[in-house]
Amino acid sequence: AQSVSQHNHHVILSEAASLELGCNYSYGGTVNLFWYVQYPGQHLQLLLKYFSGDPLVKGIKGFEAEFIKSKFSFNLRKPSVQWSDTAEYFCAVALNSGGYQKVTFGTGTKLQVIP
Amino acid sequence: DAGITQSPRYKITETGRQVTLMCHQTWSHSYMFWYRQDLGHGLRLIYYSAAADITDKGEVPDGYVVSRSKTENFPLTLESATRSQTSVYFCASSGADRVSYEQYFGPGTRLTVT
Repeated sequence: AQSVSQHNHHVILSEAASLELGCNYSYGGTVNLFWYVQYPGQHLQLLLKYFSGDPLVKGIKGFEAEFIKSKFSFNLRKPSVQWSDTAEYFCAVALNSGGYQKVTFGTGTKLQVIP
Repeated sequence: DAGITQSPRYKITETGRQVTLMCHQTWSHSYMFWYRQDLGHGLRLIYYSAAADITDKGEVPDGYVVSRSKTENFPLTLESATRSQTSVYFCASSGADRVSYEQYFGPGTRLTVT
């Protein structure tokens, strides 16, 4: 069974610091990869996604992620965080299992940005 | 354009009662999902549906029942609520395009079982 690991459970940064959140998955086949963000009190929203092509994916609000197939990783990065980036971030992996979607989410990383 | 809505947004119920959480989407998406979100566990899939009248279990289905008689609705029923089912429940939907597994989430229902 596929699994998704987010090793950082809680990250605290000062504004303007650089961010990198780790995401590793266990499935060896073709996958689609996502990062979702959940701002306080809100529902999950898509931040960025990777399906194929350029392994460096750019998303909204200056976020980017790099797919490294050999490392089964899809780490999220942002060069300079803002207070408004305080949120919980979820990595997700999707694969086609028997014709149906199968999506697995990581346990999430809470990011707190201090002004 | 409502997108995906959930009702109620907040619910307090007693142990042993039956509770139904509603989910409605306006995009005619084929796939719909129910997740629960708990501290330390992230999002866990309860049930999903690939189309009307097609449902399947996810990671944590025990104590829950779903139905999907219409494409746009995907209600989740707790047959006999337990305190361990206190959680935030999110409904999501996704299009039929196999390439696009992006999910769109509803606002969530915060359920408390006393």
